[in-house]
Amino acid sequence: ELKVEQNPLFLSMQEGKNYTIYCNYSTTSDRLYWYRQDPGKSLESLFVLLSNGAVKQEGRLMASLDTKARLSTLHITAAVHDLSATYFCAVGAGTALIFGKGTTLSVSS
Amino acid sequence: GAVVSQHPSRVICKSGTSVKIECRSLDFQATTMFWYRQFPKKSLMLMATSNEGSKATYEQGVEKDKFLINHASLTLSTLTVTSAHPEDSSFYICSAGGGGASSYNEQFFGPGTRLTVL
Repeated sequence: ELKVEQNPLFLSMQEGKNYTIYCNYSTTSDRLYWYRQDPGKSLESLFVLLSNGAVKQEGRLMASLDTKARLSTLHITAAVHDLSATYFCAVGAGTALIFGKGTTLSVSS
Repeated sequence: GAVVSQHPSRVICKSGTSVKIECRSLDFQATTMFWYRQFPKKSLMLMATSNEGSKATYEQGVEKDKFLINHASLTLSTLTVTSAHPEDSSFYICSAGGGGASSYNEQFFGPGTRLTVL
């Protein structure tokens, strides 16, 4: 059974500093996704990572995938208040997705 | 990207009544649709997977007689919560995939339905 672990679950960030969220998964998968969720809203797709060594960047967010270590990271550069949200990684299992518990980010000045 | 809608966005009902939630893929044909449930400050839990024209596959612990799923066409799936009780109050999110909308099994998420059972 595929298990997905995210850490930390909560992250209080200071504006302008850098942070990393980690996503570990237990069995081989061919795809990994990162999503953002704002309170009361559904999921917004951020990144799709398909291969070992894949790196994608959008603004202050950069995601990478190491399939050998079964690890993905979401790196936040120079945090700003707009990044406050909950971030989920999800790993493909057949046609389904298994989600991590989510990391709630709070950015303060 | 592909667009998925859900209706209603919010529903309040009395205990014992049934509620139907619709999930539509607006610009692609979804061969597979998924239903998730999310409790406050928790992750998404997959409830069931449905393929057009066939019976849904429910995850362990999900009562299929309580959560009726129908995927009658390639653009519409419905979730009916039968005889709803307060513990069924939750945020229900559908997603859709397949049909060539993505080349890598990506799921496209609807905006969610907030169900409150009084």
